Amino acid sequence: DAGVTQSPTHLIKTRGQHVTLRCSPISGHKSVSWYQQVLGQGPQFIFQYYEKEERGRGNFPDRFSARQFPNYSSELNVNALLLGDSALYLCASSLEGLAIDEQFFGPGTRLTVL
Amino acid sequence: AQSVTQLGSHVSVSEGALVLLRCNYSSSVPPYLFWYVQYPNQGLQLLLKYTSAATLVKGINGFEAEFKKSETSFHLTKPSAHMSDAAEYFCAVTFNTNAGKSTFGDGTTLTVKP
Repeated sequence: DAGVTQSPTHLIKTRGQHVTLRCSPISGHKSVSWYQQVLGQGPQFIFQYYEKEERGRGNFPDRFSARQFPNYSSELNVNALLLGDSALYLCASSLEGLAIDEQFFGPGTRLTVL
Repeated sequence: AQSVTQLGSHVSVSEGALVLLRCNYSSSVPPYLFWYVQYPNQGLQLLLKYTSAATLVKGINGFEAEFKKSETSFHLTKPSAHMSDAAEYFCAVTFNTNAGKSTFGDGTTLTVKP
């Protein structure tokens, strides 16, 4: 079975632009979470979606938004990019999105903002 | 507020030596605790998790961790380090009150010397 997939792998944008990152969860997983990992730090929680509904949101500005589709894939959108948005964006899927569930991580999308 | 602290951002051991990576958490509710490993330019892979079933948890690749409530710790150990263990290790915590949101420590980079 395929693991969590993310696209694109790498992305270079300039300040002020908009970006869309995509994630496909493991088949059968209904929950997707997004994390931002800045170099030298641990992943920071951005969003969790379960059955197309937002279940949780981290401490990120409104420039960050996401959605989950009927096939459980997900998009993360970031508007008005800032230099500080440069990071590895990780998507993780789990069966039900419960605290006890194991999360399976994708390889990430490396976003560079110039 | 719940948090995770990993003591020591860099740990260096010789091949065959004991590996000890430290993790302490802070929470007012029972936690679920996880250790992940991240190799360069890859996503996170679960090593093991604590879900209250047993305080000593065995994971993949010979790693294990012990949950000590009195010390609020969940240190990761491996009796004998291999060169292939060189990577970054993250401790994470989740709570039923926050569903699938994981709070990660800042990571510990493990170097294994020949």
